[in-house]
Amino acid sequence: SAVISQKPSRDICQRGTSLTIQCQVDSQVTMMFWYRQQPGQSLTLIATANQGSEATYESGFVIDKFPISRPNLTFSTLTVSNMSPEDSSIYLCSVDQGGVNSYEQYFGPGTRLTVT
Amino acid sequence: DQQVKQNSPSLSVQEGRISILNCDYTNSMFDYFLWYKKYPAEGPTFLISISSIKDKNEDGRFTVFLNKSAKHLSLHIVPSQPGDSAVYFCAARKDDYKLSFGAGTTVTVRA
Repeated sequence: SAVISQKPSRDICQRGTSLTIQCQVDSQVTMMFWYRQQPGQSLTLIATANQGSEATYESGFVIDKFPISRPNLTFSTLTVSNMSPEDSSIYLCSVDQGGVNSYEQYFGPGTRLTVT
Repeated sequence: DQQVKQNSPSLSVQEGRISILNCDYTNSMFDYFLWYKKYPAEGPTFLISISSIKDKNEDGRFTVFLNKSAKHLSLHIVPSQPGDSAVYFCAARKDDYKLSFGAGTTVTVRA
């Protein structure tokens, strides 16, 4: 399985500021995704990070609020812009990695963001 | 619109016994189903997946059953161990690789 790291692991930020989260994978992967887990909630897909082109956002998420970069097949960043307390969540990147007869998708350890 | 549902928010089971976690879905376009385990302050850990063309997949102590006609799947953990205490998420994938998650079931394994 792919080894995925995220930086920072956690942060406390003031409202109105921005935070950029990094996701690094130890091997080249086709698909990378960014998810959010709000307190007490399940995981929600924010966007698909496309290598060499603009990210594809899910309903309710916009590029101005969550700009994403994917400069190569092993790295992506998610920025949470103009933060408010409602952005306090765990942010997770994931990568797809499937075998011939199975499907697997792996997650990073997450970035726990608290906005005050 | 919640396409993947885990209707049991919690499950308590004695060590050594079987844990059965259930998941229902509404979208017939899902082609793979996955189960994840999540500890607090960690990312979800992939456990096992099953293709929509199969009805059973087994990996060690974990077995997933799929009833496509009922749009229902279940995860069996046998035997349950204290380290299995965690939140378990059911997820479903369409051909665009995006995952839809259930709300999760918190499993507590009692000694």
